[in-house]
Amino acid sequence: DSGVTQTPKHLITATGQRVTLRCSPRSGDLSVYWYQQSLDQGLQFLIQYYNGEERAKGNILERFSAQQFPDLHSELNLSSLELGDSALYFCASSVAGTSGPNEQFFGPGTRLTVL
Amino acid sequence: GENVEQHPSTLSVQEGDSAVIKCTYSDSASNYFPWYKQELGKRPQLIIDIRSNVGEKKDQRIAVTLNKTAKHFSLHITETQPEDSAVYFCAATPFYNFNKFYFGSGTKLNVKP
Repeated sequence: DSGVTQTPKHLITATGQRVTLRCSPRSGDLSVYWYQQSLDQGLQFLIQYYNGEERAKGNILERFSAQQFPDLHSELNLSSLELGDSALYFCASSVAGTSGPNEQFFGPGTRLTVL
Repeated sequence: GENVEQHPSTLSVQEGDSAVIKCTYSDSASNYFPWYKQELGKRPQLIIDIRSNVGEKKDQRIAVTLNKTAKHFSLHITETQPEDSAVYFCAATPFYNFNKFYFGSGTKLNVKP
């Protein structure tokens, strides 16, 4: 158990809908990262937050948005869902994010299925 | 941005043999190279990492080597065991954007008993 929690574990929804994925980082970690892993694909970096502020952005679609709250938990919002958005979404957290790279601890993931 | 290529995509070895997975990166500014292991249906977990100020790092049966000139790094697993079967991902991150991990496409390692 990495200490990173994600909810829900599974999510099944229809095209055009909007969903919210939630992540709680390890205690003390200030950075949260979101990744998308499609079937048999690698990990695609979406976005990173550090202590409430956006710090790095990957190939995140405009239909997707995220935020990190004062208690450091983060939410990833996916809207106008398409079939191709079906994937495993991982959240990861790390200690800091200002002085150099640190190990990222991954959560168990949320499996999103868009029908 | 950084581009990380990983080979092979699948690797099958006999238990007890060694396995080598190679990654190349494009950005000479990359200076941190972690390796993650993802078992079926589970989360990725860091198994070893290396920073650009060293050329090799070992941890029991696993080792990572880095060649900065050629911009490639490799994961070596010796005396493989069935529990080593998993997907392995390499990653690289540049010093100017160290929060952004660029992952390779993964190598599915199958260790046959």
